[in-house]
Amino acid sequence: DTAVSQTPKYLVTQMGNDKSIKCEQNLGHDTMYWYKQDSKKFLKIMFSYNNKELIINETVPNRFSPKSPDKAHLNLHINSLELGDSAVYFCASSQQGLQETQYFGPGTRLLVL
Amino acid sequence: AQTVTQSQPEMSVQEAETVTLSCTYDTSESDYYLFWYKQPPSRQMILVIRQEAYKQQNATENRFSVNFQKAAKSFSLKISDSQLGDAAMYFCAYRSANYGGSQGNLIFGKGTKLSVKP
Repeated sequence: DTAVSQTPKYLVTQMGNDKSIKCEQNLGHDTMYWYKQDSKKFLKIMFSYNNKELIINETVPNRFSPKSPDKAHLNLHINSLELGDSAVYFCASSQQGLQETQYFGPGTRLLVL
Repeated sequence: AQTVTQSQPEMSVQEAETVTLSCTYDTSESDYYLFWYKQPPSRQMILVIRQEAYKQQNATENRFSVNFQKAAKSFSLKISDSQLGDAAMYFCAYRSANYGGSQGNLIFGKGTKLSVKP
């Protein structure tokens, strides 16, 4: 059973396109996250979201927007893709008050041409 | 703001030997969590071990153990009896124990690439 899943695993697209990455967790967690891993392997938070608030890292361009249709999903929408958006994007989830451990999805490798 | 530093970009160990990966962090908080994640070539982020700052006892998970020095703000990972499957990037991460705002986010170090020689 996959705890945190992401689709697609690979995404190749042209500059200027709009794309989405889906994330689902079946752990019953109340908080979900998106992280970006750049070409140097550095991981940085983009968003965190629970059913109460969305926290946006101030460095994230407003072309990126998370959408949560329900507690188990947090999708990432990216408008007007740029070359610099090429990276691996990880979704993660955790439960407040329960060990505080974040569980990660398999990652989505995005390549913008 | 909290920071996490991993001063060893790359490390190498002989199979069956022991290796220690270093991590230091900076924070003004007294309560927090520390983690080591492993990222093999498959790129999956796998939790290796976690430590609560209020616990003095060092965490241990099979061949993996930590040396947590709160006063020195140091959190090193020791891998005993290294195996070929241990080859991966290892990330140290910090999380505040406070809730709300951005405090629940993980702050990562830049990683250490571990190679295991047969």
